[in-house]
Amino acid sequence: DSGVTQTPKHLITATGQRVTLRCSPRSGDLSVYWYQQSLDQGLQFLIQYYNGEERAKGNILERFSAQQFPDLHSELNLSSLELGDSALYFCASSLTGYTEAFFGQGTRLTVV
Amino acid sequence: AQTVTQSQPEMSVQEAETVTLSCTYDTSESNYYLFWYKQPPSRQMILVIRQEAYKQQNATENRFSVNFQKAAKSFSLKISDSQLGDTAMYFCAFMKTLKSSGTYKYIFGTGTRLKVLA
Repeated sequence: DSGVTQTPKHLITATGQRVTLRCSPRSGDLSVYWYQQSLDQGLQFLIQYYNGEERAKGNILERFSAQQFPDLHSELNLSSLELGDSALYFCASSLTGYTEAFFGQGTRLTVV
Repeated sequence: AQTVTQSQPEMSVQEAETVTLSCTYDTSESNYYLFWYKQPPSRQMILVIRQEAYKQQNATENRFSVNFQKAAKSFSLKISDSQLGDTAMYFCAFMKTLKSSGTYKYIFGTGTRLKVLA
């Protein structure tokens, strides 16, 4: 158990819908990262927050948005969902940028 | 731009044997961190080992060790006494901090799928 909690574990939704993925980082970790992993693909970096502030942005679509709240949990919002958005979405957290990131178990999103 | 290259998409090894997974990276930075993550069929991402670039000594974690060649920008993972549970996708990752913005950047390679054969 990495200490990073992601909910829900599985999500099935229809095209055009909007979903919210939630991440609770390890206790004390200030940095949260979101990644997308499509089937048999590598990890695509989406966005990173540090202590509530956005710090880095990767290949995140305009239909996607995220935030980190004062209690340091983070949410990734995906809207106008398309079939191609089906993937495993990982959240990871680290204490600072100089420490390793620990990953949650991921949320498996299926868009039908 | 920083890149991470894993040139071996798939590998296999007999149980109890030793296998080495390759990773090369490209950066102009002198201070950075390197990691190997393991992703078994459960799809959980598990940290295997880390290496700080300023340390010359190669990191070791039980049966896992790295061969870090800073000048060559190479960071290979050696798995000794391979076990069936080592079957997984292995990702090499590079991390650096941009001091000007305080931004941290992780870059992952495309992964090597390792199969341990009984």
